[in-house]
Amino acid sequence: EVQLVDSGGDLIQPGGSLRLSCAASGFTFSNYWMHWVRQAPGKGLVWVSRVNSDGSIRNYADSVKGRFTISRDNAKNTLFLQMNSLRAEDTAVYYCARESAVLGRYFDSWGQGTLVTISS
Amino acid sequence: DIQMTQSPSSLSASVGDRVTITCRASQTITNYLNWYQQKPGKAPNLLIFAASSLQSGVPSRFSGSGSGTDFTLTISSLQPEDFATYYCQQSYNTPRTFGQGTKVEIK
Repeated sequence: EVQLVDSGGDLIQPGGSLRLSCAASGFTFSNYWMHWVRQAPGKGLVWVSRVNSDGSIRNYADSVKGRFTISRDNAKNTLFLQMNSLRAEDTAVYYCARESAVLGRYFDSWGQGTLVTISS
Repeated sequence: DIQMTQSPSSLSASVGDRVTITCRASQTITNYLNWYQQKPGKAPNLLIFAASSLQSGVPSRFSGSGSGTDFTLTISSLQPEDFATYYCQQSYNTPRTFGQGTKVEIK
C-alpha cells in the first residue's frame, strides 16, 4: 500500500525556521517526482514546490522562493521541506504529494498533512 | 502562471441530483487537467486525471470532460458521501495551479 506520512509541523515565531518531512512507503520512492502543497485555514490548495526523482531539479512558488528548500533522501525514502524566514502568511497545513506520470501528470497519493502555525 | 477558474464557488444540491462543476484555464492546457475531492480535515483525493480518466477505485458516477481551456466535472447522481469541496488542477506546466474550489453542500 502506498503511504505518505507528513510530520514536523509546529508553532513557530515569525522569522523562524522549520523542517518538514514526508516518509514514503509501499512504492519505489526514487522513481517519482514529489511535491509540497499547502492550504491556509479555510482556504484552497496552493502548490509550493517540487523535486525530480534524483533531486537535481527543484522548482518553487514565487511566494516561497529563496526561503524554502525542497530536498529528498532516496536511501531513506523521505522528502523534506526546509522553511526559513517564516511569515504569518506561511501558516497552513502542508501536504506532500506523489506525482504519477502515467497517461498524464497528477497527484495520486497525498500525505495526511502537517500544520505549520506562524505566530508570536 | 496559468490561472484556473472554477464555477460555481459553491452549490446546494440534493441526493440524487446531477451536479456539474466547470473549470476554465487562462491558456490552453490540452488535457492536463485533474479533479480532486477534499473532505473537511482530510487530504485531497484524486478523482479524475487527464481530463476524463477515472482514477482506480472512484465510483463511476464521477466523470470528466473537456480539452484546451474548458473542462467539466459531473456527478451523475449525488450521494451523501459526495458532499465535499472539489478542486481542478492543471499539470500542463509549473507552477501547478489549482482552481479556488467548489463546495458542494446539502440542500
